[in-house]
Amino acid sequence: NAGVTQTPKFQVLKTGQSMTLQCAQDMNHEYMSWYRQDPGMGLRLIHYSVGAGITDQGEVPNGYNVSRSTTEDFPLRLLSAAPSQTSVYFCASSPTGGTSAGYTFGSGTRLTVV
Amino acid sequence: GQQLNQSPQSMFIQEGEDVSMNCTSSSIFNTWLWYKQDPGEGPVLLIALYKAGELTSNGRLTAQFGITRKDSFLNISASIPSDVGIYFCAGAYYGQNFVFGPGTRLSVLP
Repeated sequence: NAGVTQTPKFQVLKTGQSMTLQCAQDMNHEYMSWYRQDPGMGLRLIHYSVGAGITDQGEVPNGYNVSRSTTEDFPLRLLSAAPSQTSVYFCASSPTGGTSAGYTFGSGTRLTVV
Repeated sequence: GQQLNQSPQSMFIQEGEDVSMNCTSSSIFNTWLWYKQDPGEGPVLLIALYKAGELTSNGRLTAQFGITRKDSFLNISASIPSDVGIYFCAGAYYGQNFVFGPGTRLSVLP
């Protein structure tokens, strides 16, 4: 089973460029989310979705857009990359948005903005 | 937003030693999770706790849901080199997203 698949694994962007981080899951999970991981700060929630067609903002949503057209895919778009967005990005999924089950994480995308 | 504190931030131990770490919150939770992250990988769920006072084991790992519902503890017995990594706690209240702690970095010396 593939679980949660993230692409690309590494990316370097110039300031002002845009790009999309891809996330796909094959577990038929309703809930999907994006986190960024920075040294000493743990995982911070960017955006999340409780089902196809439904998205909401997390703790640090500025500079990022998401959409959820299918259950399987939850892409994260950087509109105009900034050095402050240099981070490791993780996509996660769960059967539901409740607290009855933990999240399954992808292996991450390491993004550097120069 | 909510924040979790994890202690210690990092620890160096000898192979075979037992490890204890904890996680505290200013808010009560109804679910606590413990994850481990290996270098270059995403976090992997180790243990989930759903009831105050609950004690749950997974091999050499044992975690407890604090009675106050504001803390949780993780113990690793007889550490081995593959225990190296970052351990994250996460907590959530009903209907809310999980909040993650900053992690405890574990190094095991042979």
